[in-house]
Amino acid sequence: QSALTQPPSASGSPGQSVTISCTGTSSDVGGYNYVSWYQQHPDKAPKLLLYEVSKRPSGVPDRFSGSKSGNTASLTVSGLQAEDEADYYCSSYAGSNNKVFGGGTKLTVL
Amino acid sequence: QVRLQESGPGLVKPSETLSLTCSVSVDSIRDYFWSWIRQPPGKGLEWIGNIYYSAGAFYTPSLKSRVTMSIDTSKNQLSLRLISVTAADTAVYFCARDGVPNAFDIWGQGTMVTVSS
Repeated sequence: QSALTQPPSASGSPGQSVTISCTGTSSDVGGYNYVSWYQQHPDKAPKLLLYEVSKRPSGVPDRFSGSKSGNTASLTVSGLQAEDEADYYCSSYAGSNNKVFGGGTKLTVL
Repeated sequence: QVRLQESGPGLVKPSETLSLTCSVSVDSIRDYFWSWIRQPPGKGLEWIGNIYYSAGAFYTPSLKSRVTMSIDTSKNQLSLRLISVTAADTAVYFCARDGVPNAFDIWGQGTMVTVSS
């Protein structure tokens, strides 16, 4: 099972919006509405930001939003803040009780 | 507030067996699937597999031949066993709750395991 494809890096200035893509196949991202996104600060455990493509757990700001088109899912961070600087990972259900992660994107707030 | 805590040896010799435990702070271990996820130094996340107390375990295909997960509902503990380890198994190992459909809503802090002689 191949990892999902994410850009290695993304950046934006405070207050701007940035979108991170996550590309898979029809066997994972394209086949199910079970894409989730995680934020990971250095030396910390990942934190769930979005699940089922666009649902936010309690406590996650609405600056974080998600969407999906075909085999590509996207995470948009609006109104960038300094504390958004982190690594971001997507994950998808891949059928047969299997899950797969993306390679991660390092978001820099300029 | 559910808390997860991984524990186990920080150093394992090549070809030996890696064994980790994850303690769950509340008595809800029967209510969810629970996953193990690992992250090699400086690299991305890899899902290892998950387990439900009455359904058994499911493993990612690339590790299926070497991994075993178990669950002890009386102790609120999860266990991970990985045999025949190599340097490629060096990673931070996390346990996590599959608290929402096919996503991991609560994570342990992770435990670093180094495979080296």
